[in-house]
Amino acid sequence: GAVVSQHPSRVICKSGTSVKIECRSLDFQATTMFWYRQFPKQSLMLMATSNEGSKATYEQGVEKDKFLINHASLTLSTLTVTSAHPEDSSFYICSARWTGETQYFGPGTRLLVL
Amino acid sequence: AQSVTQLDSQVPVFEEAPVELRCNYSSSVSVYLFWYVQYPNQGLQLLLKYLSGSTLVKGINGFEAEFNKSQTSFHLRKPSVHISDTAEYFCAVSSNDYKLSFGAGTTVTVRA
Repeated sequence: GAVVSQHPSRVICKSGTSVKIECRSLDFQATTMFWYRQFPKQSLMLMATSNEGSKATYEQGVEKDKFLINHASLTLSTLTVTSAHPEDSSFYICSARWTGETQYFGPGTRLLVL
Repeated sequence: AQSVTQLDSQVPVFEEAPVELRCNYSSSVSVYLFWYVQYPNQGLQLLLKYLSGSTLVKGINGFEAEFNKSQTSFHLRKPSVHISDTAEYFCAVSSNDYKLSFGAGTTVTVRA
């Protein structure tokens, strides 16, 4: 149980385009979903927290107009990187929780912006 | 606010030897503590967690960790490692807002 999927696993896009990443909880309803960013050889940095049906809460320094988060249902959250640039290239990981303190992580999406 | 310090960035170890990964945290409130493992190009897998109760926590794959409140530590141990334990290990802490703060990670390389 507690499986989280992400799609796509890898994406390459041109600078200036937008990319959407999906995060799904497959066997549970996610009260809260989190989006993280991980640079090579570094730790995970929390970008934002989203609760179903409400606006996401962004961490300090994260541009909410650039990283659009939608949590339309209890099993799906999306992260859209708008007008992507090479510096947005990174590994994006989502996680989900329903009750309790434990977060379950997706397999990640590697974004490369050319 | 809370923070996590993983004291070792890299830990090389021989197969079947024991390993300990050190983690210290700071927080002004009660915390929940976690260890996650990340294999290359993958997400994070939960190894174990401390929420309350017994300070010795057993997890998957033979790992265990001990919560020490006075030393604000949550060190991870395994008595005998395998080649397949080669991975990145992250210590993390959260409190009532459920947001995780991660340490910088420890790379464990198991050699035959």
